[in-house]
Amino acid sequence: DAGVTQSPTHLIKTRGQQVTLRCSPKSGHDTVSWYQQALGQGPQFIFQYYEEEERQRGNFPDRFSGHQFPNYSSELNVNALLLGDSALYLCASSLWESIYGYTFGSGTRLTVV
Amino acid sequence: KQEVTQIPAALSVPEGENLVLNCSFTDSAIYNLQWFRQDPGKGLTSLLLIQSSQREQTSGRLNASLDKSSGRSTLYIAASQPGDSATYLCAANSGYSTLTFGKGTMLLVSP
Repeated sequence: DAGVTQSPTHLIKTRGQQVTLRCSPKSGHDTVSWYQQALGQGPQFIFQYYEEEERQRGNFPDRFSGHQFPNYSSELNVNALLLGDSALYLCASSLWESIYGYTFGSGTRLTVV
Repeated sequence: KQEVTQIPAALSVPEGENLVLNCSFTDSAIYNLQWFRQDPGKGLTSLLLIQSSQREQTSGRLNASLDKSSGRSTLYIAASQPGDSATYLCAANSGYSTLTFGKGTMLLVSP
């Protein structure tokens, strides 16, 4: 049973560029959430997708956008990259409004130079 | 707004010791609380999930407790091993399908 798969594992981008990160949820899950984890900090909630719609959003600017596809996979897009966007981006999958917790992927390490 | 605090921020113990990691949250109206392990530069591995109606959960050498009324959870690790060295994160699910994380406790178990 495949867990959550994220790609790429590492990425280096230049300030001002755009980036797309990808996530495939655990088999059987229909909800994808994205988190940003800066060095030495706990993950911070970016947004959540269910039924191809953004359902919840954390305190992140509109430069952060996403998409969910009919197969439940998801993309996170970040425009006009800033140095402060350098972080580990984590994808978590779950069942919508389930009490059974979240499964996280291994993350994408984004470095903005 | 839910806030989660973890104490201590770092902990260093010799192999074989029993230890307790603490997690506190400000809003007691949680659905569940989840403990995760994170190795350096890696993703999160779920250790234990405690539902709001439960008092504790156990998995092997790990035991997690939950006291909603006081806004506290503890993770007890018995007979620690060097392989337990990692950062331990707790996360409160307050509904709206999002998790609020603490900053974690960095654990080092020396041989």
